[in-house]
Amino acid sequence: NAGVTQTPKFQVLKTGQSMTLQCAQDMNHNSMYWYRQDPGMGLRLIYYSASEGTTDKGEVPNGYNVSRLNKREFSLRLESAAPSQTSVYFCASSVVFGDTQYFGPGTRLTVL
Amino acid sequence: AQTVTQSQPEMSVQEAETVTLSCTYDTSESNYYLFWYKQPPSRQMILVIRQEAYKQQNATENRFSVNFQKAAKSFSLKISDSQLGDTAMYFCAFMKYSGGGADGLTFGKGTHLIIQP
Repeated sequence: NAGVTQTPKFQVLKTGQSMTLQCAQDMNHNSMYWYRQDPGMGLRLIYYSASEGTTDKGEVPNGYNVSRLNKREFSLRLESAAPSQTSVYFCASSVVFGDTQYFGPGTRLTVL
Repeated sequence: AQTVTQSQPEMSVQEAETVTLSCTYDTSESNYYLFWYKQPPSRQMILVIRQEAYKQQNATENRFSVNFQKAAKSFSLKISDSQLGDTAMYFCAFMKYSGGGADGLTFGKGTHLIIQP
């Protein structure tokens, strides 16, 4: 039981490049979330998926898209990366929406 | 919108001492959850403790306990018999929950706790 896994762990992009961050959970959770953490800040919600087949914007959705591929997987896509998107990205999941969230190990993304 | 404030950017105590981390929040919601998460240098976010707003009894998990003052919108974390492994960033977080649905977590900026040997 790996919990929540994220790939890659580290990534460096050039401005304008695109990439997809992958997240998977093996806990049979219904809800999944993407957060970003900037230096000196707590985490901020980018997007969430309350259940399979649904996605909604969080606090800071601009510049991102998401896909809930199936119940296990929830990906985050940067279509045209910008330096302001340099951050650590965390994926989380919960049994149902509004329940305790469990986090993956994070992806450190640097955009040059 | 909710806000969460942690007024102590950094704290340092000796091993085996008791330490209290402060958290206040601002909300007009009546139904919500409060959490403390720990982030060690490994960067992993680890749930420490959770409190349901409708419960008057303060949550406890082994050496970790909270002092939840709903009227004052205060949610402090007490760590007893602190250990070197408690060294980490600690984040207070809020999540509303109502018949209209729920939100993701709203986090404070964190308190860096250092346990000295």
